[in-house]
Amino acid sequence: DQQVKQNSPSLSVQEGRISILNCDYTNSMFDYFLWYKKYPAEGPTFLISISSIKDKNEDGRFTVFLNKSAKHLSLHIVPSQPGDSAVYFCAAIYNQGGKLIFGQGTELSVKP
Amino acid sequence: DTGVSQDPRHKITKRGQNVTFRCDPISEHNRLYWYRQTLGQGPEFLTYFQNEAQLEKSRLLSDRFSAERPKGSFSTLEIQRTEQGDSAMYLCASSSTSGPTREEQYFGPGTRLTVT
Repeated sequence: DQQVKQNSPSLSVQEGRISILNCDYTNSMFDYFLWYKKYPAEGPTFLISISSIKDKNEDGRFTVFLNKSAKHLSLHIVPSQPGDSAVYFCAAIYNQGGKLIFGQGTELSVKP
Repeated sequence: DTGVSQDPRHKITKRGQNVTFRCDPISEHNRLYWYRQTLGQGPEFLTYFQNEAQLEKSRLLSDRFSAERPKGSFSTLEIQRTEQGDSAMYLCASSSTSGPTREEQYFGPGTRLTVT
C-alpha cells in the first residue's frame, strides 16, 4: 500500500524557469511532510518541510505548498538551476519523530 | 559536527555470509533510524532507536536482520545469511526529539551492499 505517491518519475525544466514537483498521500493522519534531494551514491539531503497545520512554507528558492483537502503537496523551485538536477523525494510522518514514509521520487533535470 | 557517518561505504559479499554496518549519528541527536533503498524506489523504513531503546521495527524486516545501539550513540545493523535480495543501499539517519526541528531526519551517505 503506497501511502505517499510521486506519480511523475521525471521532470525536465529549462534553467531559470520554475520546477514544480508533486506528491499525493492517502493517510489523513500524517502531520508533517518533508522534501529531500538525492544525488547518485549519496544519502538524501533535507530541503524543506511543512506542518499539516500550515499551507505554505518558503525557504529561499524553495516553497512547499500543502492542500490537505486534496491530500496533495508540491515543491516549487524558482528559479531552477542546473545544480538542482537530482532525485527529489517527498516524505511524511504521522507521529512526532517517527519513521518517514517516502514516495518513489521524481528525477529533476534542469537544462542550461 | 560532521554529520551522520556510515561505514563501510561499499560492501560486496557472497550469498550466505554475514555482514555488519556501522552508523555514527550527529552527536546531539538521540534518535537513530535505518532505511533501505533499492533502485527506483524511495527509502524504506527498517527500524529506529531512541537512545538505547529500539522503538519500532518494520514488519517487513526478516529475522536475519538485527540492529543495536548499545550505548545510545553509534548503531550497528547486521544481516545474517545474506541473500541476493538484500542487495540495496542501507541508509542511516538521525534526529533530535527536542527543539523546533525534531521531525527532520538527517541522512548519512549510505552503505551500498552487493550480494553475489
